[in-house]
Amino acid sequence: GAGVSQSPSNKVTEKGKDVELRCDPISGHTALYWYRQSLGQGLEFLIYFQGNSAPDKSGLPSDRFSAERTGGSVSTLTIQRTQQEDSAVYLCASSTSAGNNEQFFGPGTRLTVL
Amino acid sequence: GENVEQHPSTLSVQEGDSAVIKCTYSDSASNYFPWYKQELGKRPQLIIDIRSNVGEKKDQRIAVTLNKTAKHFSLHITETQPEDSAVYFCAASIRGSARQLTFGSGTQLTVLP
Repeated sequence: GAGVSQSPSNKVTEKGKDVELRCDPISGHTALYWYRQSLGQGLEFLIYFQGNSAPDKSGLPSDRFSAERTGGSVSTLTIQRTQQEDSAVYLCASSTSAGNNEQFFGPGTRLTVL
Repeated sequence: GENVEQHPSTLSVQEGDSAVIKCTYSDSASNYFPWYKQELGKRPQLIIDIRSNVGEKKDQRIAVTLNKTAKHFSLHITETQPEDSAVYFCAASIRGSARQLTFGSGTQLTVLP
């Protein structure tokens, strides 16, 4: 079946603008994760959704970052008043349940803030 | 919370040689340890994982070992090939909990022909 998809694949924006990044997880996957990967760096955890539970927002770097997951499926990561240091690849992943199952990653959205 | 450290950050080996990447973790309750491979410009993909009820797991040229007492685990790649060149990430989590994976910082492996 289809894997995790993300859109857009690339986003260039001006400093101070808001952006929305979208993630479509694999159908039936209850867990969804957002990560940030700066150039040549590791995977920085941002936020995690599991079913109908309250999301784990412990990785969000500031209150400019927020995410929603509607209907337990599609998720949107919103970055308000973007800064140049927000430039990175934003990866979404999904899995069948929490923590200990294989996470399937999407292709990522490359965000460039000018 | 969990802290995962990964070494080395870069590793170059000759084709056919072995490569070893090591990770340590801080939370003794962690019991699931996957390894992901990320080729240049691609998404990370799971290559092997180990759970704390075993000490070693092999899959063809790839093996992972786990030492729970010392809280470290390692990835071993034998008979390396150019297509093994990629960034490798280790991770740790607590099985059965709602906690997410904590990733290491990654190792850039280059296999020289």
